[in-house]
Amino acid sequence: QKEVEQNSGPLSVPEGAIASLNCTYSDRVSQSFFWYRQYSGKSPELIMSIYSNGDKEDGRFTAQLNKASQYVSLLIRDSQPSDSATYLCAVRTGTASKLTFGTGTRLQVTL
Amino acid sequence: GAGVSQSPSNKVTEKGKDVELRCDPISGHTALYWYRQRLGQGLEFLIYFQGNSAPDKSGLPSDRFSAERTGESVSTLTIQRTQQEDSAVYLCASSLAPLAGETQYFGPGTRLLVL
Repeated sequence: QKEVEQNSGPLSVPEGAIASLNCTYSDRVSQSFFWYRQYSGKSPELIMSIYSNGDKEDGRFTAQLNKASQYVSLLIRDSQPSDSATYLCAVRTGTASKLTFGTGTRLQVTL
Repeated sequence: GAGVSQSPSNKVTEKGKDVELRCDPISGHTALYWYRQRLGQGLEFLIYFQGNSAPDKSGLPSDRFSAERTGESVSTLTIQRTQQEDSAVYLCASSLAPLAGETQYFGPGTRLLVL
């Protein structure tokens, strides 16, 4: 089992819809969770971080964390074509400083 | 302010040659990380520096890979006797401190192609 799993997609949503991106992780002692957006040929940029169970909202983005289910998600409301990118889920576990990444979900927002 | 910078942006080399990749972190960031991203894959952790020390080298794939950091600033990742499977984008990130939750900021990466 991979440490951080994501559906590779592509996930296709129409403009204005809600995009829901999911991520599961295997290590129960994971503490910090991050969503990065990566445009093709570019480096990852941080979208959201979440550390506690529940929801965290930032503009059109909402991160949801459920540690009991080892599940973290990212919701993008009012999806725009500019949101089309690969979204990487990353997890920091225990005292480690490194991030463990999933393989990413490719999101396509269609007109 | 200036972000993380990396050089070269692209590198094409022949199998068996050595290559050096450079990373300049954000000024004042004590933690520095190297990751590798193969085509269509997620990021793989290689090594982490706190100051000039490397407390976690667990991701280096073989003894052909080494890295150093000097002046608590610039870092160099060296790959000796490159192999075709080394072809990837090598990403450097830095953070203010290696604390849980501290955001890692990524550089633009070096695209390495080994022929």
